[in-house]
Amino acid sequence: NAGVMQNPRHLVRRRGQEARLRCSPMKGHSHVYWYRQLPEEGLKFMVYLQKENIIDESGMPKERFSAEFPKEGPSILRIQQVVRGDSAAYFCASSPTTGSALAQYFGPGTRLLVL
Amino acid sequence: GENVEQHPSTLSVQEGDSAVIKCTYSDSASNYFPWYKQELGKRPQLIIDIRSNVGEKKDQRIAVTLNKTAKHFSLHITETQPEDSAVYFCAASEVGSQGNLIFGKGTKLSVKP
Repeated sequence: NAGVMQNPRHLVRRRGQEARLRCSPMKGHSHVYWYRQLPEEGLKFMVYLQKENIIDESGMPKERFSAEFPKEGPSILRIQQVVRGDSAAYFCASSPTTGSALAQYFGPGTRLLVL
Repeated sequence: GENVEQHPSTLSVQEGDSAVIKCTYSDSASNYFPWYKQELGKRPQLIIDIRSNVGEKKDQRIAVTLNKTAKHFSLHITETQPEDSAVYFCAASEVGSQGNLIFGKGTKLSVKP
């Protein structure tokens, strides 16, 4: 059973460009969470999605950031017109549909660097 | 909303000694408390979790205790080894809510051989 997959692992963008981060949850998991981690800090919740639904986006900036989890394919976190302050590691996590619904398993992260 | 405080921020122990990391939370509705270990440049790995219907849980050298009245929970690592060196994060969440985790700021544990 493959773990949570994220790509790309590293992404370099210039200010004003767009960044697209992808996350494929573990097989059988239908809950996806995105977190942001600044250097030497904890993880900050951004958004929680289920297939075709945004459940909670209270941690995501209202401008420039969007997320989706389509019926087919990976979840995508999109950052438009990136700024230097967007440089961080972005982790997604998934949890099972049933059972221990709160146990979240993390992907390897995408490290975004904005020049 | 929930707020999780974690301390100490750094902890250095000799190999074989025990290490204890403590967290407090603010929302009495929280009832799920996982601990994650993150090595440099790697993903956070779930190492143990506890739900509020139990006060203690153990898995080999690691254990977690929960005091709901005082709203704090602790991670205990016994017989520490150099490979235990990492940053440890506690988190809190509420069953039945949206499920997003609120994390502490982490404890950097160094185990000296």
